[in-house]
Amino acid sequence: TQLLEQSPQFLSIQEGENLTVYCNSSSVFSSLQWYRQEPGEGPVLLVTVVTGGEVKKLKRLTFQFGDARKDSSLHITAAQPGDTGLYLCAGMNYGGSQGNLIFGKGTKLSVKP
Amino acid sequence: NAGVTQTPKFRVLKTGQSMTLLCAQDMNHEYMYWYRQDPGMGLRLIHYSVGEGTTAKGEVPDGYNVSRLKKQNFLLGLESAAPSQTSVYFCASRTLYGYTFGSGTRLTVV
Repeated sequence: TQLLEQSPQFLSIQEGENLTVYCNSSSVFSSLQWYRQEPGEGPVLLVTVVTGGEVKKLKRLTFQFGDARKDSSLHITAAQPGDTGLYLCAGMNYGGSQGNLIFGKGTKLSVKP
Repeated sequence: NAGVTQTPKFRVLKTGQSMTLLCAQDMNHEYMYWYRQDPGMGLRLIHYSVGEGTTAKGEVPDGYNVSRLKKQNFLLGLESAAPSQTSVYFCASRTLYGYTFGSGTRLTVV
């Protein structure tokens, strides 16, 4: 069974601070996705990384896929209250399980003004 | 707006009652999914479909049934609701690079 472990589970910081969220597995994934979910809404896709070592930037968010495609990180620079939400990583393998996503349990981020 | 629409948004059921959750997508996606989200458990796959007329079991299928009679619709049924099925249910459809989720149905079984 493939598992994705996210850390930390909870994170409460002040506006302007930097933070990093980690997503780790013992399994290799074809691609890794990051989603953000706000209360009362469904997850929204932020980014997909597919190549080992790949780095993608989305404004103040930087996503990295590990060289071995087993782990990923999300770094937020100068966090803002609007970044508050549940961040989910999800791994996909195109070969095995019909390409179904395997989700981590999430990191709940609170950014205080 | 294009996307995934779920109905209803909220529902309270008594133990033993039945109901159907409806998911509709207008993006012509082949793959559709039903997840449940519980505190501390994350998103768990209930059933999924790889195209019209097909369905398959996910991680936690017991107590649920699904149907995909039309490509744009994916229905999730609870034949005899139990308190353990109290959860938030999400439907999603898939492109090559990611999923598009609906806004969820919050179901409480009392």
